[in-house]
Amino acid sequence: DARVTQTPRHKVTEMGQEVTMRCQPILGHNTVFWYRQTMMQGLELLAYFRNRAPLDDSGMPKDRFSAEMPDATLATLKIQPSEPRDSAVYFCASGFSNQPQHFGDGTRLSIL
Amino acid sequence: AQTVTQSQPEMSVQEAETVTLSCTYDTSESDYYLFWYKQPPSRQMILVIRQEAYKQQNATENRFSVNFQKAAKSFSLKISDSQLGDAAMYFCAYRTDSGGGADGLTFGKGTHLIIQP
Repeated sequence: DARVTQTPRHKVTEMGQEVTMRCQPILGHNTVFWYRQTMMQGLELLAYFRNRAPLDDSGMPKDRFSAEMPDATLATLKIQPSEPRDSAVYFCASGFSNQPQHFGDGTRLSIL
Repeated sequence: AQTVTQSQPEMSVQEAETVTLSCTYDTSESDYYLFWYKQPPSRQMILVIRQEAYKQQNATENRFSVNFQKAAKSFSLKISDSQLGDAAMYFCAYRTDSGGGADGLTFGKGTHLIIQP
């Protein structure tokens, strides 16, 4: 079965450090999504791309978060500088047309 | 903006019994999709079932079925013959149908389902 691959699976770092999370979407999927899951806010859409172009990043704090898609096989989500409130599980998902999205296993991020 | 509400933070059911999880949503759109996702402790997000708003027939996938009431904006999930492996968080999700491709999902807060042996 084709899968969305996210790395790293876990990340622990100190406040102020740069964090980069990576996602490899399923081959042939043209839409990539980033979600964040916390106990307080639940699952929230941060941003998404279609055909590598950003479509919506309104859910993302602009001052410290950035999302890019350098090529069709890689999406990145960066946080600089990181803060303790960024601790969460970050999911990447990919999709095509109106088919359901497929989720990666997530990156559990802990900012100390 | 669309909102999705799951009013049951936790539900418990005996193994082999039937349980229904509730979900309501708010939207001004006429075309959209609704989903139920399952998240076990492994934190994977697993699609359980989906419903297109234009379809009157309720979706069914083996032991899982939905009761979709478009006018009431209600989308409940029924799990029949509950099994221990069904224990998980269940999320209801909404997505618009923009016609240009997949859009982002709006999730409810989730229902924690406990299966009693």
